[in-house]
Amino acid sequence: GAVVSQHPSWVICKSGTSVKIECRSLDFQATTMFWYRQFPKQSLMLMATSNEGSKATYEQGVEKDKFLINHASLTLSTLTVTSAHPEDSSFYICSASATYSGRITDTQYFGPGTRLTVL
Amino acid sequence: KQEVTQIPAALSVPEGENLVLNCSFTDSAIYNLQWFRQDPGKGLTSLLLIQSSQREQTSGRLNASLDKSSGRSTLYIAASQPGDSATYLCAVGEGNQFYFGTGTSLTVIP
Repeated sequence: GAVVSQHPSWVICKSGTSVKIECRSLDFQATTMFWYRQFPKQSLMLMATSNEGSKATYEQGVEKDKFLINHASLTLSTLTVTSAHPEDSSFYICSASATYSGRITDTQYFGPGTRLTVL
Repeated sequence: KQEVTQIPAALSVPEGENLVLNCSFTDSAIYNLQWFRQDPGKGLTSLLLIQSSQREQTSGRLNASLDKSSGRSTLYIAASQPGDSATYLCAVGEGNQFYFGTGTSLTVIP
């Protein structure tokens, strides 16, 4: 089945530094990838939709300049949290929508998530 | 904007019991609905995907139903096992986006 990986699985950083999280589709091409954020005991909230080769679409309330998203290829999207602060500590999950033979399937495949802790 | 609610927020049952998890959504013009399982500190595992034209899907001990007109879906788990303990999320699909519910935390007591 389709597999999505994320790297790193967890990261601890100092306040003010930037952190990059990678999301890869391992055995399929993904024209669309999604980034979610999940705070403790809360559900996933969509942050942005990332389309290969174009600018990401951000949900209301998500700062574009703080959460930089790059989807440079059909198998890789990156989320960079710039100038991270303790309130950015969260669980970040990506998902990918598979494209087979040019058709976008209905199923999104989710990565295992990245736990970010900002000290 | 689509709002998805799950009831109950937490559930504790003895092993072997059958149980039902509920999901409701505000906008019935959905594309599909998916149930996920999430273990603590882990990502999501897809359990069942129901297309808008379908009324139910089954996989093993799991059965999910969908009633678009009333904005409801249920996840039925038969003969629950301790290994079923996890948080269960329902997500409503509109186009390529999912709107997630708040989740039901399930504990199955041996």
